[in-house]
Amino acid sequence: DQQVKQNSPSLSVQEGRISILNCDYTNSMFDYFLWYKKYPAEGPTFLISISSIKDKNEDGRFTVFLNKSAKHLSLHIVPSQPGDSAVYFCAAKPYTNAGKSTFGDGTTLTVKP
Amino acid sequence: ETGVTQSPTHLIKTRGQQVTLRCSSQSGHNTVSWYQQALGQGPQFIFQYYREEENGRGNFPPRFSGLQFPNYSSELNVNALELDDSALYLCASSPGQNTGELFFGEGSRLTVL
Repeated sequence: DQQVKQNSPSLSVQEGRISILNCDYTNSMFDYFLWYKKYPAEGPTFLISISSIKDKNEDGRFTVFLNKSAKHLSLHIVPSQPGDSAVYFCAAKPYTNAGKSTFGDGTTLTVKP
Repeated sequence: ETGVTQSPTHLIKTRGQQVTLRCSSQSGHNTVSWYQQALGQGPQFIFQYYREEENGRGNFPPRFSGLQFPNYSSELNVNALELDDSALYLCASSPGQNTGELFFGEGSRLTVL
């Protein structure tokens, strides 16, 4: 029973266009959501987060949208750059527990020059 | 500011052996959590330590155990290794047990033959 799902294993976009990565969750106890980026041979690095009291959070080229009724969140990258090519993990957790995050299986984003 | 460091980076063990993985948390961080990432999957929560005590555990058997030391560094011990234990083991620290994002190390790649 996978509580956080990223249904697209891979995504390829052209440089300068928008990248949209999707994530679905099933556990209603999750109220804090995060995106991490992972390059080969490195640990995941935090990208952006959103709490359940918001429906949008923006940080530069990165925006995360949360639709609580649909239990769905998405990460938008605009404009996409070749350096954004990496594996992106969606994670969810109860707000009151930092460590116990539940991760999706990741989406590999390739941005073509 | 020193980030999260893990050792060893790679190791090979045989089935039935025991292994100890080590992690130094980022300076100022008192909470450490451990994750297992199998090939093609997202990180899975093993357990979290806060002020030298385990305060959260995922769905892993008791042969997975850990310690946190007064300087907040941590160890993950796995006894009676099985082939399925082959994975990347990630350590993550955070400045408190209820804070948001995790700061990951580069991981220890364990291969069980």
